Amino acid sequence: DTEVTQTPKHLVMGMTNKKSLKCEQHMGHRAMYWYKQKAKKPPELMFVYSYEKLSINESVPSRFSPECPNSSLLNLHLHALQPEDSALYLCASSQDMDVRVDYFYEQYFGPGTRLTVT
Amino acid sequence: AQTVTQSQPEMSVQEAETVTLSCTYDTSENNYYLFWYKQPPSRQMILVIRQEAYKQQNATENRFSVNFQKAAKSFSLKISDSQLGDTAMYFCAFMKYNNDMRFGAGTRLTVKP
Repeated sequence: DTEVTQTPKHLVMGMTNKKSLKCEQHMGHRAMYWYKQKAKKPPELMFVYSYEKLSINESVPSRFSPECPNSSLLNLHLHALQPEDSALYLCASSQDMDVRVDYFYEQYFGPGTRLTVT
Repeated sequence: AQTVTQSQPEMSVQEAETVTLSCTYDTSENNYYLFWYKQPPSRQMILVIRQEAYKQQNATENRFSVNFQKAAKSFSLKISDSQLGDTAMYFCAFMKYNNDMRFGAGTRLTVKP
């Protein structure tokens, strides 16, 4: 199973709403990622979790709150978003790097959640 | 900070022909990995090929191969025998030790019948 699943596929929310995006993988990966992708742009890294601990936060506004309850699940909690936050939100997972031999692993991406903030 | 540059916003190629997509990067790291990802119109990102910086041999995966020039910090992707299903946005990506991966702006490739 090399699949990363994301729910929902589409989400429309108002600026005062609270919603959550969900990402799941069952490949035994210990690193999970959130990216934001605007139309016709490359993905931009938001957060990285390694062994369920937040290892990278790319100065993302606090209205985005990540959570990694276990090694298979990654959530992104959304609150008081702005219209400019409308984008495709991609989740990815990978084996964590092997520091013993300095080996890095490719990331597997989910299909994304298309978020529209009205 | 690492930067990844893809200088070709759009390219097209006839079916069955060969096309090369360019990518350059800038880094002070000695050990890093480079990737080409493909994002078809259905939007799911798929890994095409990877290259370890410490390996001199260029990576190949079936019809896909790279030309990795470490000194020049260049990492181009060659697609041979192009197929209609190769139509997609192609992103060059750089990853360093802490799982931090950065993408180039992308090249939109259209394969014409």
